[in-house]
Amino acid sequence: SAVISQKPSRDICQRGTSLTIQCQVDSQVTMMFWYRQQPGQSLTLIATANQGSEATYESGFVIDKFPISRPNLTFSTLTVSNMSPEDSSIYLCSVGESNQPQHFGDGTRLSIL
Amino acid sequence: EDQVTQSPEALRLQEGESSSLNCSYTVSGLRGLFWYRQDPGKGPEFLFTLYSAGEEKEKERLKATLTKKESFLHITAPKPEDSATYLCAAGGSSNTGKLIFGQGTTLQVKP
Repeated sequence: SAVISQKPSRDICQRGTSLTIQCQVDSQVTMMFWYRQQPGQSLTLIATANQGSEATYESGFVIDKFPISRPNLTFSTLTVSNMSPEDSSIYLCSVGESNQPQHFGDGTRLSIL
Repeated sequence: EDQVTQSPEALRLQEGESSSLNCSYTVSGLRGLFWYRQDPGKGPEFLFTLYSAGEEKEKERLKATLTKKESFLHITAPKPEDSATYLCAAGGSSNTGKLIFGQGTTLQVKP
């Protein structure tokens, strides 16, 4: 299965600032996904990152708050903009094709002061 | 609305005490039911995929089964290293690759 690397692994940020999270895959993949996992909670899909087109956002998530880039088939970024304490969470990147299991990175642990 | 519900939320077992975790789903046109294991500080690790009712998959002490409404993860004679959060996720009828995750079951196995 694909190996997924996320950077940074953790960060502590000031409110009002923005942070960009990187996701690198060791092979070319069509579908990349970004999830949020709040403390003690399960995974909530933020958006699907499509190479060559705009990301597809889930209800409750907007591009202005979570802009996503997908410049090629092995890389994506998620930016968390104008952060507030409510954005403190784990952000996870995954890859997978339709009907196939997704494989995950180890996540970025984000704390907002 | 598509939904996945797991029970119990938490489970404590003694080493060697077998049990089952439940995952109930209401997903139109299920395209796969996936089980993951998540350790603290790590991303979910893929365990099994089940595609049709009656299907079973096994790996060491774990066995996953699927019916038309739910899936079970059976743990036989668990060991302390099986302690983790177990997540199930369902793929729906769209071709988007999206998964809907349950809340997870946190398993603690005591020696």
